[in-house]
Amino acid sequence: EPEVTQTPSHQVTQMGQEVILRCVPISNHLYFYWYRQILGQKVEFLVSFYNNEISEKSEIFDDQFSVERPDGSNFTLKIRSTKLEDSAMYFCATGTALRETQYFGPGTRLLVL
Amino acid sequence: AQKITQTQPGMFVQEKEAVTLDCTYDTSDPSYGLFWYKQPSSGEMIFLIYQGSYDQQNATEGRYSLNFQKARKSANLVISASQLGDSAMYFCAMREGRGSWGKLQFGAGTQVVVTP
Repeated sequence: EPEVTQTPSHQVTQMGQEVILRCVPISNHLYFYWYRQILGQKVEFLVSFYNNEISEKSEIFDDQFSVERPDGSNFTLKIRSTKLEDSAMYFCATGTALRETQYFGPGTRLLVL
Repeated sequence: AQKITQTQPGMFVQEKEAVTLDCTYDTSDPSYGLFWYKQPSSGEMIFLIYQGSYDQQNATEGRYSLNFQKARKSANLVISASQLGDSAMYFCAMREGRGSWGKLQFGAGTQVVVTP
């Protein structure tokens, strides 16, 4: 069964550094999402992306965050200048208009020091 | 206001028994979808089951069934014949509005521990 993949699985970075989290969606999926989960807390929506533009974003998704689909396959989340509070698990999810389900990738665990 | 409420932070259940995880939701939109995801200790989010607001019957997927009570705005997950591998965090989530592309809003989760 096709899966969403994410790289890296873990990333440690210094505060103020830029990070790029990568996701490879399931091949025929058109809707892409980023969520994050701070340790011990619930999963929070960051942004949704369709047809090469942002469909919706949350309050968390400020100017430090950006998303793009640079090559038609990868879907990336960039954090320009990381803060300590950005430490979390970041999940990519993808979906299709044909099914209600959003399929999650395994996540990238980001630690900002 | 919380959109999704899971009132059970944690539960113990014996192997082979059934367990019900509670979930209530809050929306004024007539069209919505309800989801359950499993998160084992390894961290990934595994889709379990989906229920649409217009679905007439309760959803079932193998050992998972969703007890959908629309008037009460509840969508409880029932896991039958629990197995040790069912030990995990379980999240209820909702998508509001028509269309399958809306964001998911999650509850706080219920930690399930299955004991031999």
